[in-house]
Amino acid sequence: AQTVTQSQPEMSVQEAETVTLSCTYDTSESNYYLFWYKQPPSRQMILVIRQEAYKQQNATENRFSVNFQKAAKSFSLKISDSQLGDTAMYFCAFIPIKAAGNKLTFGGGTRVLVKP
Amino acid sequence: NAGVMQNPRHLVRRRGQEARLRCSPVKGHSHVYWYRQLPEEGLKFMVYLQKENIIDESGMPKERFSAEFPKEGPSILRIQQVVRGDSAAYFCASSPPVGQENYGYTFGSGTRLTVV
Repeated sequence: AQTVTQSQPEMSVQEAETVTLSCTYDTSESNYYLFWYKQPPSRQMILVIRQEAYKQQNATENRFSVNFQKAAKSFSLKISDSQLGDTAMYFCAFIPIKAAGNKLTFGGGTRVLVKP
Repeated sequence: NAGVMQNPRHLVRRRGQEARLRCSPVKGHSHVYWYRQLPEEGLKFMVYLQKENIIDESGMPKERFSAEFPKEGPSILRIQQVVRGDSAAYFCASSPPVGQENYGYTFGSGTRLTVV
């Protein structure tokens, strides 16, 4: 079974500064995808960024980037130039790539508060 | 192309009543997943369905909970004889067929169930 751990329940950051959220996972699978989802107060789950395990290059999406360390099973998210609209819960998620029966497993989340 | 549609957005039930939550997946998506989110927690997997088939219900409580995804119409999550502990946000997600998981899931906005 896969597990995803987010060790930081809450983080606060000043507007325009950078914050890094940690995520570790445990799996015996060799091929998988990793995701970061954002959940603002509206409750909508929004895909922020994804990473293929077989790609060494770290994914980036505008102000969001990841540091993927496969050997360490670590997948951190960096939010640069933080904006007030980044205030939300952030969830790390994992999905193995198999022939069938795939499902997303989520971490417990990190609440990010961007202060003006 | 509409996203995942869940209704109702809010549902209030008295203890002992039945709750029916509906989910219409993204057009062309053949896989549906239900997750439960308790306050201040991450999303917990409940059940994974394809049309007319339950693929994985390992996260579903053994009693009072059932799910279906008929050939025609939305997926339904049914909770019979609700108790206060069932109060949570229930999210539905859909995904394309196997082999396209790199796109991640598309989530609905969730149904918040309150049992009074």
